[in-house]
This record gives sequence, C-alpha cells and structure tokens, in this order.
Amino acid sequence: AAGVIQSPRHLIKEKRETATLKCYPIPRHDTVYWYQQGPGQDPQFLISFYEKMQSDKGSIPDRFSAQQFSDYHSELNMSSLELGDSALYFCASSTSGWQGSTDTQYFGPGTRLTVL
Amino acid sequence: QKEVEQNSGPLSVPEGAIASLNCTYSDRGSQSFFWYRQYSGKSPELIMFIYSNGDKEDGRFTAQLNKASQYVSLLIRDSQPSDSATYLCAVKSSGDKLTFGTGTRLAVRP
Repeated sequence: AAGVIQSPRHLIKEKRETATLKCYPIPRHDTVYWYQQGPGQDPQFLISFYEKMQSDKGSIPDRFSAQQFSDYHSELNMSSLELGDSALYFCASSTSGWQGSTDTQYFGPGTRLTVL
Repeated sequence: QKEVEQNSGPLSVPEGAIASLNCTYSDRGSQSFFWYRQYSGKSPELIMFIYSNGDKEDGRFTAQLNKASQYVSLLIRDSQPSDSATYLCAVKSSGDKLTFGTGTRLAVRP
C-alpha cells in the first residue's frame, strides 16, 4: 500500500539558512499534519491543513510557514534556521481531518534536519 | 504535568511473555486514542486505535480504554524480540493534533 512520502530524507543546513520540506500524502487523503521530534522527545504538533486551508496550529515558530497545494501535497518552509531546529520532521496524512475528526494519522518516514 | 503520561521504562519482558504498557491522560474531553510503535530514528507506526470504553483486539495486540479513569493501555501477547521499540501513546482531544506521551521503551529478551 502507498504510504506518505517525504523529501528530502536528510538535510544539512547552516544557521540562518532556509529549508523547504515536502510531503506527499497517501492517495485520497486530504489532510496533512506536520510534527517535529527533537532528540529523545515525543513528536510535537506544528500545523495541519485540510482542503488547502490551515485547520489547526500548534507550537510552530513564526519563522516557519506551511501550505497545502491543489494536489494535496504540503510544504514546510523554515527560515532563519537555528541550531535548535535540528530534529526529525514528520508529515502525517488522514482523510477528512477537519477539527474534531477521529480519523487516524499515518506518518511518513520523516526528514532529518541538521543545522550546523 | 504532561497531558499524556507514560512510564519511560525500559520495560523488559522475556520472549513469549505479555507486555503491558500504560498511559494516562488529563483532558476528559479526549475523543480518540492511538498506540504507535517507533523504532530508533524511524517514524511512528500505527499499532492500534480505540475510541470507546472497553477492549479492542487485533492479533497479538489488545488496547483497553477506561475514560472514567482516563487510562488507556496496550497489551502485547507472545512478545517477540522484534517488538522491542518505543511505544507512543497518542491522544486526540480537540482540533487535529495528536498529543503524544514520551513513550515507553520495551525490550523483549530472547
């Protein structure tokens, strides 16, 4: 079965640079979610999109922005990178994920971002 | 107090035994509950989800939910060394986000 696709899988950036992470949801899934997982930490919710609209927002820094496109893929844009942004970034997808839905989230393989 | 609490472990069980993983949550309005398995450096993999009080079985896995006690558990029967991983309890309260516990490390001894 097709899964969530994320690219790139690994990314190394310098401080103050920018990064763009991409997520392609499972076919027919219309909702994407972004999570950040620091070393030894549990995943923290950043933001989610349903039908190209932001549907929920968590602890996403102002330096980060995201959007969902007409083909349902999503991109997470990160600017002015800091050392503390080094983490695993997971995208998850589900069907009909508007707030209050109980739909299950399936996670992609993640992008490991290292900021030097 | 974290919204979702788990014992960090490690929980060590012999091969073939039952592993019992526990999770408590603070938001009484929580609607749905998930167990994910995560190997080191990999993504969370869905094991079970449960929405209603009681037990739900899927193969070697049984999830138990008690909303009155704000408690959810995962039982793994006939534990295998390949079950050795971190098990994350996740709760969905309001909105889209999943709130995770810090995870319980399970080690299954051959």
